[in-house]
Amino acid sequence: GAGVSQTPSNKVTEKGKYVELRCDPISGHTALYWYRQSLGQGPEFLIYFQGTGAADDSGLPNDRFFAVRPEGSVSTLKIQRTERGDSAVYLCASSPNGGNEQFFGPGTRLTVL
Amino acid sequence: DQQVKQNSPSLSVQEGRISILNCDYTNSMFDYFLWYKKYPAEGPTFLISISSIKDKNEDGRFTVFLNKSAKHLSLHIVPSQPGDSAVYFCAASKHNAGNMLTFGGGTRLMVKP
Repeated sequence: GAGVSQTPSNKVTEKGKYVELRCDPISGHTALYWYRQSLGQGPEFLIYFQGTGAADDSGLPNDRFFAVRPEGSVSTLKIQRTERGDSAVYLCASSPNGGNEQFFGPGTRLTVL
Repeated sequence: DQQVKQNSPSLSVQEGRISILNCDYTNSMFDYFLWYKKYPAEGPTFLISISSIKDKNEDGRFTVFLNKSAKHLSLHIVPSQPGDSAVYFCAASKHNAGNMLTFGGGTRLMVKP
């Protein structure tokens, strides 16, 4: 079956611009997670959805970051007024009912010039 | 502060020998631990996990050991194969926190033919 998909695979933008990153989880998975991985580091938690609601957004670094999951399936991570420090690979994962094992997508590599 | 640490950034092993990857954690509330494997340009792939009520879990060539008193876990791969060459991430979660994962920084394993 289809795994987690993320689009775009690469995004290059200029400082100050707005970007949207999309995640399409595995069908039927109710839990969806966003992580950010900077070069040479492990993924860092950003936000977790159970269904349509954000159950935990404690990892979002500041109010420039926002995520939605309006129909409980696809999620969009939105970053306003991008900064060079936002450059990283943004990973999405899903799991059935928030179970321990999470299935990751290939990530979106964001580069802010 | 890093709650999950992988102190060896890289490890080189001869094909057929044992690979041992180590991970330490500081938060005693973690009750589930996972190992993920990551190839370049792909998302992390789940490998093996262990609950805090166990001290060992085995799956084919992969065994994870957990020492709760030392807050230490290790992944053993035997025999190692060239296809095992990848970055390995240790991750931990708290069952009552939506199972968001806290990752270590990763260890790059190189298995030489």
